[in-house]
Amino acid sequence: DARVTQTPRHKVTEMGQEVTMRCQPILGHNTVFWYRQTMMQGLELLAYFRNRAPLDDSGMPKDRFSAEMPDATLATLKIQPSEPRDSAVYFCASGLVHGSHTFGSGTRLTVV
Amino acid sequence: ILNVEQSPQSLHVQEGDSTNFTCSFPSSNFYALHWYRWETAKSPEALFVMTLNGDEKKKGRISATLNTKEGYSYLYIKGSQPEDSATYLCALRETSGSRLTFGEGTQLTVNP
Repeated sequence: DARVTQTPRHKVTEMGQEVTMRCQPILGHNTVFWYRQTMMQGLELLAYFRNRAPLDDSGMPKDRFSAEMPDATLATLKIQPSEPRDSAVYFCASGLVHGSHTFGSGTRLTVV
Repeated sequence: ILNVEQSPQSLHVQEGDSTNFTCSFPSSNFYALHWYRWETAKSPEALFVMTLNGDEKKKGRISATLNTKEGYSYLYIKGSQPEDSATYLCALRETSGSRLTFGEGTQLTVNP
């Protein structure tokens, strides 16, 4: 089965360090999403790409977060500098414009 | 801000019970309604995509109905099993190609 691959699965880092999370979407999917799972807010959309172009990153703190798709096989989410409140599970999902999302397994980030 | 509401927030049932829960959404600007199943420590998995008023979808013991005129969808589980324990998310797509707006989910626990 085709799947969305996220790396790393787990990341523990110190406050102030840069964190980069990577996602390989399913080949042929033209939309890519970054979500953050929080206790209070369920799935929070951070950024959304269609055909590699960013469409909506209004959910992302711009001062420290950035999302890019350098090519169709790679999406990245960076946090610089990281803070303890960024600790969460970050999910990448890909899909076709009209279809369901296929989610990756997530990156569990802990910032100490 | 688009409001997708799910109720109840959590539900405990006994093995063998049938159960159902609700997803409510604004009935204007409807394109599609998605249901996902999200087991603890895993990633959400797509269950159904529904687009037409009156749609009914079924997968095994799980089925869903859609009423776009009044803005709700029901998810039914017949003869619940412990392995059905998960959070069930619904998500609304307002227009073709737009982002999904997720509800906060209904957390189902099926006790053996």
